[in-house]
Amino acid sequence: GEEVAQTPKHLVRGEGQKAKLYCAPIKGHSYVFWYQQVLKNEFKFLISFQNENVFDETGMPKERFSAKCLPNSPCSLEIQATKLEDSAVYFCASSLGQIPEAFFGQGTRLTVV
Amino acid sequence: GESVGLHLPTLSVQEGDNSIINCAYSNSASDYFIWYKQESGKGPQFIIDIRSNMDKRQGQRVTVLLNKTVKHLSLQIAATQPGDSAVYFCAERGNNRLAFGKGNQVVVIP
Repeated sequence: GEEVAQTPKHLVRGEGQKAKLYCAPIKGHSYVFWYQQVLKNEFKFLISFQNENVFDETGMPKERFSAKCLPNSPCSLEIQATKLEDSAVYFCASSLGQIPEAFFGQGTRLTVV
Repeated sequence: GESVGLHLPTLSVQEGDNSIINCAYSNSASDYFIWYKQESGKGPQFIIDIRSNMDKRQGQRVTVLLNKTVKHLSLQIAATQPGDSAVYFCAERGNNRLAFGKGNQVVVIP
């Protein structure tokens, strides 16, 4: 597609439940990035992929967060045993290559109650 | 609401006036600096970028200035329009990841 598509738009989970977010990057883009934005404030980098390979995962809280980008499937970000502090908007972005212009999706708002 | 407790630096500008948004960055090794615009309920939208070996770049109604001596980046918007109302983020690229700065809210007064 011509835009980064994220689903669902909103997700509500009880504390301790699992949350799974999806991202379809723009067709032909080889890099995918996940960011977390809390309270409309700064963006925290989580992980990036080059095609289906993890490129940089230094931002991931590895105990509960995992992500995949498999061929012919949307990329996914999964949070096991969600905590209240995981409440945020999660953005996915894709780029054609190692260029500065990354295209962002509309985000998934995760609310942990 | 979601913004309780959060007060973004806010620039109120009259429609038609010019706006200047400033940003300080931290990583001298960043190779690109980028400005993004985020409207309410949407993802960041690329506005303009500048390579680290440049000090000025112009786009349509926007100019980005880079001062590497003091690690300062600014975005100038000419003839601000109501559609420019948004939160603006600067970002620096290093190791093919973006590090975002704090947002600056621009409110355009008609």
